[in-house]
Amino acid sequence: QVQLVESGGGLVKPGGSLRLSCAASGFTFRDYYMSWIRQAPGKGLEWVSYISGRGDTIYYADSVKGRFTISRDNAKKSLYLQMNSLRAEDTAIYYCARVFVYYDTSGYGYWGQGTLVTVSS
Amino acid sequence: QLVLTQSPSASASLGASVTLTCTLSSGHSGYAIAWHQQQPEMGPRYLMKVNSDGSHNKRDGISDRFSGSSSGAERYLTISSLQSEDEADYYCQTWGTGIHVVFGGGTKLTVL
Repeated sequence: QVQLVESGGGLVKPGGSLRLSCAASGFTFRDYYMSWIRQAPGKGLEWVSYISGRGDTIYYADSVKGRFTISRDNAKKSLYLQMNSLRAEDTAIYYCARVFVYYDTSGYGYWGQGTLVTVSS
Repeated sequence: QLVLTQSPSASASLGASVTLTCTLSSGHSGYAIAWHQQQPEMGPRYLMKVNSDGSHNKRDGISDRFSGSSSGAERYLTISSLQSEDEADYYCQTWGTGIHVVFGGGTKLTVL
């Protein structure tokens, strides 16, 4: 059974940093592009970033480019999101997910349960 | 610029059927989309991919009451024999070079 379990969320001051982690199990993690997707309180879903299976193709949404860094460790079946220079508008639930991207549309999508990041002084 | 348009809300009675629509912006009618369901206070769940020809691949374990189809630039999610647990937000999503990943604004389905 596929599982994606996020951790690392919490309360952080504006300008601060946070590192999110996602532990994957139940599928061949290294074969898939993985994404971070966020949802601000009461709002819809917003794609943040994705990374290829080998980690050599990475894209970011304009809203986080230059501040967030996505990475993965296939040996540990883990996905990460380093978030720096955090702003109030980054407050959201952050989901680790395998959603279809241009380079990877086989099989099914998967989502984690999310981790809440709150940016406030 | 590729935009996915969804009605903000929909409603239907228990036991009835409902069709949710996701419309691809002009010039993008050939794109496939995915449907995701988000029940209250839960993370989203992938339901199915719907191709431009109407074919779809539904995730294992998703009820036969859920089906997908297409017509032109519109992609549909039909839920039959509505149950209370179908009350949720439904998001369509697509992908492409340059646009990367795009979500529609979501449709909040109320089961009356």
